[in-house]
Amino acid sequence: GAVVSQHPSWVICKSGTSVKIECRSLDFQATTMFWYRQFPKQSLMLMATSNEGSKATYEQGVEKDKFLINHASLTLSTLTVTSAHPEDSSFYICSARDVRLASTDTQYFGPGTRLTVL
Amino acid sequence: TQLLEQSPQFLSIQEGENLTVYCNSSSVFSSLQWYRQEPGEGPVLLVTVVTGGEVKKLKRLTFQFGDARKDSSLHITAAQPGDTGLYLCAGDLSSGSARQLTFGSGTQLTVLP
Repeated sequence: GAVVSQHPSWVICKSGTSVKIECRSLDFQATTMFWYRQFPKQSLMLMATSNEGSKATYEQGVEKDKFLINHASLTLSTLTVTSAHPEDSSFYICSARDVRLASTDTQYFGPGTRLTVL
Repeated sequence: TQLLEQSPQFLSIQEGENLTVYCNSSSVFSSLQWYRQEPGEGPVLLVTVVTGGEVKKLKRLTFQFGDARKDSSLHITAAQPGDTGLYLCAGDLSSGSARQLTFGSGTQLTVLP
């Protein structure tokens, strides 16, 4: 159980285009999902917390108009990188917290999405 | 400033050797988690420690949570090439009900055959 999927697993796009990444909890419901960014050989940096039915909470320094997050259902959150530029190239990872474990710190991570902007 | 410091950052050892990775903070955690991540994949949860002084074992991996719940260690006995990966500690340092994880700086382990 506790499987989180991401789609696509990798994407290459031209500078200026927008890219949407999906994060799904496959066998549990998640009122809260998290989006992280990871550069090569570095740790995960939290970008935003996505709450089902409400606006996402962004970390300091993360542009909310550039990284649009939508959490329309208890099993799906999407991250859209708008007008992507080469500096947005990174490994984007989502995680989800099971509603039944909402009182704990347990998060289940997706496999990540490699974004390359040319 | 990294809120969770891990050491060492990089570690390259021979198969069969033992090693310890440390995770330190000046803050107190309600719980702390250890993850292992392989290139191109998401982190995989290894263990969660909750009680100060707690020790958990997972085959050749031993995890310890400091008495004051500010630090933790991961000890691997007789390391194998399959242990190679990025090891991350993470804890909840947020206040209120946000329950966000803050990740440590990571330890890249390479076990040579």
